[in-house]
Order: sequence, then structure tokens, then C-alpha cells
Amino acid sequence: TQLLEQSPQFLSIQEGENLTVYCNSSSVFSSLQWYRQEPGEGPVLLVTVVTGGEVKKLKRLTFQFGDARKDSSLHITAAQPGDTGLYLCAGGDDGTASKLTFGTGTRLQVTL
Amino acid sequence: KAGVTQTPRYLIKTRGQQVTLSCSPISGHRSVSWYQQTPGQGLQFLFEYFSETQRNKGNFPGRFSGRQFSNSRSEMNVSTLELGDSALYLCASSLQGRAEETQYFGPGTRLLVL
Repeated sequence: TQLLEQSPQFLSIQEGENLTVYCNSSSVFSSLQWYRQEPGEGPVLLVTVVTGGEVKKLKRLTFQFGDARKDSSLHITAAQPGDTGLYLCAGGDDGTASKLTFGTGTRLQVTL
Repeated sequence: KAGVTQTPRYLIKTRGQQVTLSCSPISGHRSVSWYQQTPGQGLQFLFEYFSETQRNKGNFPGRFSGRQFSNSRSEMNVSTLELGDSALYLCASSLQGRAEETQYFGPGTRLLVL
């Protein structure tokens, strides 16, 4: 069974601080996705990374896929209250978008 | 265009009952996947339907089943409900379920089993 462990589980920071969320596995994934989920809603896709060592930037968010395609990180610069939510990484392993293995989740709260 | 819709949004059932949840994908999307989300186990894949056929299946007991209709709408059924089935059930749709496609999630159906 493939597992994706995220750390930290909870993070409470003030506006303007930087943070990094980690997603680790002992298994290799063909792709790695990051989602954000807000209360009462389904997860929303932020990014997909497919190449080992790949780095993608989305405004203040930087995503990195490990060289061995077993781990990933999400770095947020100058966090804002709107970044508050549950961040989930998800690994794909068989060329489909659907059968994803989700990480344990990181709940982020950004306060003023 | 309209997003993924799920009905009902909330449901309360008792142990032993059965329940059917519905998911309408984004227009034109033919792949529909179902997930269970609980505080303890997180988000877990249940199954995926494409063109009215189950294409992938997760590690859930046979009490969990689903189907897809010709218009790509999907239903999920859970029979003989157990307390542990209390969860948020999410469905997601994509064009054809390919790795490079984006999956769009619905808001979920929150099921409480008493």
C-alpha cells in the first residue's frame, strides 16, 4: 500500500511569514499533485508535477518534485489569510488522473 | 460552465440502512471518480467510472458500489451502513481520466450514520 505522509499536520502562522509543507513517500509516483480544500468544499487542484526535480511556481507558491519522484514540497512566501485551508498532496501511479493516493493533509491557518 | 454537483449535500442514516449518493460531472466529462474523506483515514479512492464501466477500484468492501449512466452522471451506493461509513463522500470528474487532465471535485455529500 502506497502512503504519503505530510508534515507538519497543523501550522498556524501570521500574515507575511513563509512556510514549507512536505509530502514524503517510500514509493515512486508518476505524478504528484497539490490541492487546497476549504471547509464545505471539495479539493481544488493547485499544480501537477511530473518530472523528477521539477519546480513550478504559482504566484507566491513554489512546488518541487523530488529527483526520485518520491517526495514533494510546497513553499508559500509571505502567507496571507486567503491561504488558509487544508493542503493535500496526491500521487498518481498508473497514468490516470483518477486513482490518486492522497497525503495525510496539512491544515494551515494564517492570521492577521 | 457549471461545476460538479453532488446531491444530497447532507444525509443522516442509521446502521443497517442503505444510501445512494448522486454526482453530476461537468458537461463533457466522461470520467467520474469517488472518494471517501474521514478525519482518521483522510481521502481514499473508492472507484472510477468511464463510459458506464468501472475502470479502477480502491480497497473498499463490496458494500460500496457504483454505476454510471449514459449521460455520465454517477451514483454511489452503500449497503448495510456501519458507523464507520460516516464521512464526506466526494466525486470528481475529468474529461477522460488521463494523467495530464485536471480533476474537478464536487462539494461532497456529508453522511452521518447513527
